[in-house]
Amino acid sequence: DTGVSQNPRHKITKRGQNVTFRCDPISEHNRLYWYRQTLGQGPEFLTYFQNEAQLEKSRLLSDRFSAERPKGSFSTLEIQRTEQGDSAMYLCASSFSLASGRKYNEQFFGPGTRLTVL
Amino acid sequence: GEDVEQSLFLSVREGDSSVINCTYTDSSSTYLYWYKQEPGAGLQLLTYIFSNMDMKQDQRLTVLLNKKDKHLSLRIADTQTGDSAIYFCAVPRPGSARQLTFGSGTQLTVLP
Repeated sequence: DTGVSQNPRHKITKRGQNVTFRCDPISEHNRLYWYRQTLGQGPEFLTYFQNEAQLEKSRLLSDRFSAERPKGSFSTLEIQRTEQGDSAMYLCASSFSLASGRKYNEQFFGPGTRLTVL
Repeated sequence: GEDVEQSLFLSVREGDSSVINCTYTDSSSTYLYWYKQEPGAGLQLLTYIFSNMDMKQDQRLTVLLNKKDKHLSLRIADTQTGDSAIYFCAVPRPGSARQLTFGSGTQLTVLP
């Protein structure tokens, strides 16, 4: 399977704990995105990487959230001191785009990590 | 900021056409997308349209774009039970073609 993979698929944690999620994009994709999706809503953009550089961050990404993509391949999203409001599905997507190319940006999504904060 | 609105639910009979509507407040002049989400699965890109087009047809799918009214629609011809899913329109944020703003999704139920 050469699609986007995310681990773990489910995470249950107690309030105040730290959690880390991993995303492995499609191997030739240079862009990687994190989204958050709550029940009954569409995904909300969190952040985006071009190779290893984090280029855009949403105001939704508070100080407790940090994302990395150290070698331009897999990415991690860490949430520190989790709160019940962090309970959501965290989606990762990847795409390939030439810097000078057209702006078509098909993003391929992974299955998500469902976080439940008790 | 960007606001993307969709109606929450749509029910159709198998074999009928489905029309899912989406309105947005602003967008980059680039591509607009329709995604499908089935239970337990990730989002899957269904189709897209470039902002200088009015219509795009792709097999059973027809996308209509009215830029003046900022209205996007997805028509599914001959709807099948396998089309039951949540459909999201996604619009690039102005100034950032990479940041997609999604609607809240339309739950399509296809009745036999």
